[in-house]
Amino acid sequence: DIQMTQSPSSLSASVGDRVTITCRASQSIRNYLNWYQQKPGKAPKLLIYGASNLQSGVPSRFSGSGSGTDFTLIISSLQPEDFATYYCQQSYESFTFGPGTKVDIK
Amino acid sequence: EVQLVESGGNLVQPGGSLRLSCAASGFTFSSYGMNWVRQAPGKGLEWVSYITTSSSTIYYADSVKGRFTISRDNAKNSLYLQMNSLRDEDTAVYYCARDSGRYYAADYWGQGTLVTVSS
Repeated sequence: DIQMTQSPSSLSASVGDRVTITCRASQSIRNYLNWYQQKPGKAPKLLIYGASNLQSGVPSRFSGSGSGTDFTLIISSLQPEDFATYYCQQSYESFTFGPGTKVDIK
Repeated sequence: EVQLVESGGNLVQPGGSLRLSCAASGFTFSSYGMNWVRQAPGKGLEWVSYITTSSSTIYYADSVKGRFTISRDNAKNSLYLQMNSLRDEDTAVYYCARDSGRYYAADYWGQGTLVTVSS
């Protein structure tokens, strides 16, 4: 089974900060890596699919990169509505979510 | 507008059974693979099961294999999850989610239905 890790598990940031979240797979997943945002009490929202493709309607301050085993989600300028938990998910072999990264207000 | 509405969540005793439903609208249900994803209270997301458009291919997480069964009725635009031999650790909000068709990413999610397993 493919295991996913994320770092950091949480971070505190200010509005306007550049935020970087890393996701690592236990084996190569090519670019079958998706990113989701979840706010408390709400369903997850798809941000990025295929490692680097921005989902329709998602602001361009979100970007994704990587392939193989190492992936990155970047929020170029954090906005108030971006405080949430972010999950990566591999879809190369079955499906596995990472443990999540909580982004809160500094 | 794409809508996914889950139902069927309830309080059930350990060892019991429950059937969840997900009613889909606003898109051609038969053209999309579908997922069940769950989230235990205060925990992260856990993928549960996936079914292809014609039900020809089905996947399960190891944690539910042999106990849960995913199915769909394309004529009724509905997705189901039959859950048997329920355990305390199955307590969670269960979401149905549509496979976008791009890298199997889930682009639309329901609001979730709560399953509580407790005596």
